[in-house]
Amino acid sequence: EAGVTQFPSHSVIEKGQTVTLRCDPISGHDNLYWYRRVMGKEIKFLLHFVKESKQDESGMPNNRFLAERTGGTYSTLKVQPAELEDSGVYFCASSHRGFSGYGYTFGSGTRLTVV
Amino acid sequence: DAKTTQPPSMDCAEGRAANLPCNHSTISGNEYVYWYRQIHSQGPQYIIHGLKNNETNEMASLIITEDRKSSTLILPHATLRDTAVYYCIVKSGGGYNKLIFGAGTRLAVHP
Repeated sequence: EAGVTQFPSHSVIEKGQTVTLRCDPISGHDNLYWYRRVMGKEIKFLLHFVKESKQDESGMPNNRFLAERTGGTYSTLKVQPAELEDSGVYFCASSHRGFSGYGYTFGSGTRLTVV
Repeated sequence: DAKTTQPPSMDCAEGRAANLPCNHSTISGNEYVYWYRQIHSQGPQYIIHGLKNNETNEMASLIITEDRKSSTLILPHATLRDTAVYYCIVKSGGGYNKLIFGAGTRLAVHP
């Protein structure tokens, strides 16, 4: 089966611009998670979708970040306007509903650089 | 979810077993021990998980102490490609619970 796909793999934008990251989870996975790693820091949870509903968005840093998952398939994470501290690697992961016996499958990430 | 403690770094010679420890003294009865790793800048990769019995798969073995307060991930024959940051995460079962990553152990496998 295809894995979790993230697009783009890299993005360089100027401060104040808008960027949209996309995640395509494994087909049939109800759970979709966004994480990010800022340089030198630990991987941090951002939010969790169950199908199209936000189950937990406690990790979203501020209202410049907007995540959507229309139709319960792919998800987008928009940053508007981007700030320098938003630079980092954004990971998406998906898992089956219920007990995730084989864990979460992560995508390769989107490396965002805000200059 | 319970916190975990791991050494910040470890070294291992290629071909030897790598034994990565993890302390999780506050683990509760319904919490599982998961291990993930991140190779360079790739996404984290699931390795193995267990509740109280020892587990083995094609990648690794997981040894959990009887009191479940600590565990050890064993890579039986480490290769250079196993150089990565290894994360021990304690989490209750169910896909609704997020993974909480700590600092992990940076394993360096050398020739």
